[in-house]
Amino acid sequence: GNSVTQMEGPVTLSEEAFLTINCTYTATGYPSLFWYVQYPGEGLQLLLKATKADDKGSNKGFEATYRKETTSFHLEKGSVQVSDSAVYFCALSRSGNTGKLIFGQGTTLQVKP
Amino acid sequence: GAGVSQSPSNKVTEKGKDVELRCDPISGHTALYWYRQRLGQGLEFLIYFQGNSAPDKSGLPSDRFSAERTGESVSTLTIQRTQQEDSAVYLCASSLAEGEQFFGPGTRLTVL
Repeated sequence: GNSVTQMEGPVTLSEEAFLTINCTYTATGYPSLFWYVQYPGEGLQLLLKATKADDKGSNKGFEATYRKETTSFHLEKGSVQVSDSAVYFCALSRSGNTGKLIFGQGTTLQVKP
Repeated sequence: GAGVSQSPSNKVTEKGKDVELRCDPISGHTALYWYRQRLGQGLEFLIYFQGNSAPDKSGLPSDRFSAERTGESVSTLTIQRTQQEDSAVYLCASSLAEGEQFFGPGTRLTVL
């Protein structure tokens, strides 16, 4: 079946460090891939997405590239800030933007000043 | 309001009681989703409504769980005879037919 696996957290970084959160998926066909973020005390928000192989999603300095050959969608940011501290979820959807989302277990990021 | 709202924000109940959780989607959104997030885990899909189509109930964990939606408005998730393993945050999301899912703040359910 379809599934998403994320690197376990928590991830603790110093401000301005480079961030990578690994995400791999198992799916039939060509899913769309997403990163969602949940800031402390707030609801889940879409951070970025990619709908086909080799697409790069980007937002707020974060990037992720849809790699079909490695079934991966790793999240990266060149220089993290304290305000990036949150829980990050990788997810896939089999039917474009609609239909149910299948989520990874989430990775907690803590950025220290 | 402009976003998805859910009520109550917190619910504590005793094992064996029934609970109802409410979701108000963004006006005009035809699709509505319920997910469950257990402590330390990712979100699990529960049920999906799209317009007047039959709902996708494939994620409901048992027949104690049911959900209704009136047209393209409010949805209610009902859990009968609650068990301790039902304790979780229940999240609702809505979207346009081909659009991004917008999530509500969730209802934290604690079953004692």
